[in-house]
Amino acid sequence: DQQVKQNSPSLSVQEGRISILNCDYTNSMFDYFLWYKKYPAEGPTFLISISSIKDKNEDGRFTVFLNKSAKHLSLHIVPSQPGDSAVYFCAASVGKSSGDKLTFGTGTRLAVRP
Amino acid sequence: DGGITQSPKYLFRKEGQNVTLSCEQNLNHDAMYWYRQDPGQGLRLIYYSQIVNDFQKGDIAEGYSVSREKKESFPLTVTSAQKNPTAFYLCASSTTFGHLHFGNGTRLTVT
Repeated sequence: DQQVKQNSPSLSVQEGRISILNCDYTNSMFDYFLWYKKYPAEGPTFLISISSIKDKNEDGRFTVFLNKSAKHLSLHIVPSQPGDSAVYFCAASVGKSSGDKLTFGTGTRLAVRP
Repeated sequence: DGGITQSPKYLFRKEGQNVTLSCEQNLNHDAMYWYRQDPGQGLRLIYYSQIVNDFQKGDIAEGYSVSREKKESFPLTVTSAQKNPTAFYLCASSTTFGHLHFGNGTRLTVT
């Protein structure tokens, strides 16, 4: 049972436009969400997180939105840059837990076209 | 620079052989983890360790073994009992409630 789903395996966006990556979850107990970014042949790196007490968290060009009623979160990248081309994983946990409590999505590959 | 080192980057083994993947960290993190990534799947937890000389099974521990004799090191052995060992293996570490810091992974191919 996939509790965290990223239904779009890939996304292609023009440089300078907005990239929107989506993530849905089924476990209503999840209350802490993260996005990781992964370049080929490298490990994922932490990008941004959000707690369920918020519905938005912003860090530079990256904003994560959380819609608890829909059990949906999205990552917005504005403006998109070629260096943003990577695989993006969303992850969820109950509380700001240790890594053993994280559930990862399957990832979305973003390609930003120059 | 602090970080996590996984070696080797690529590993090839014959079926039936055990193989050990190395993971070393100099971040002074207490917790270390092993994940497996397969195409079209999320990261799945194999084993984790919150403290030296202690470790716990993750979601897919069958066919794997680990040890944690030193804080800096958390090697993973893929045994011949693992039915589908070919995969990309990621080691990570963290502080107690901190974000995961990942190594660059080891791609294991078993033929």
